[in-house]
Amino acid sequence: EAGVAQSPRYKIIEKRQSVAFWCNPISGHATLYWYQQILGQGPKLLIQFQNNGVVDDSQLPKDRFSAERLKGVDSTLKIQPAKLEDSAVYLCASSLAPPTQGNEQFFGPGTRLTVL
Amino acid sequence: SQKIEQNSEALNIQEGKTATLTCNYTNYSPAYLQWYRQDPGRGPVFLLLIRENEKEKRKERLKGTFDTTLKQSLFHITASQPADSATYLCALTSGTYKYIFGTGTRLKVLA
Repeated sequence: EAGVAQSPRYKIIEKRQSVAFWCNPISGHATLYWYQQILGQGPKLLIQFQNNGVVDDSQLPKDRFSAERLKGVDSTLKIQPAKLEDSAVYLCASSLAPPTQGNEQFFGPGTRLTVL
Repeated sequence: SQKIEQNSEALNIQEGKTATLTCNYTNYSPAYLQWYRQDPGRGPVFLLLIRENEKEKRKERLKGTFDTTLKQSLFHITASQPADSATYLCALTSGTYKYIFGTGTRLKVLA
């Protein structure tokens, strides 16, 4: 079974520029998550989709971050404009169903973003 | 506010010993608790799920406990090996719709 795919793996941009990340979850997984992981910290949920609907985006800085999951499959996360504090690893994960039954999350390798 | 704490300092142990990692939480009533392993440059990998009423779960050399009275989970790796060196994350959910992760503990097993 193919895992969660993410691209690019690395991205370096200057502040105020825009950037986009792409995620392709495991086939058949209805729930998709985007996490931000700052060095030395645990992953922080930015947005969670159930199929193509948003379940939670309470920690997404909506003035600069946006995400979509068209057709309930792959997803993109965009930052515009980027700030220095956005430097982090952006992890995409998917699960067969929501966490209501403790479903295992499968993570992609992440995109390491550096904002200069 | 909800808080999940793991030992921020790295844990160094000798090969063959049992490693014990701690996850404490406050202002939270989780129904499920998961443990993940994360290697440098990689995403977390699921290890164990412990349900609120299970109290304990075992998988090969791994054992996780879930004490809702102490608001704590312990994660044990018996007969540890250098290959077990990684960061271990706990994640909790109240069973609604999202998981909250701890900060992780870095484990180093010395040969």
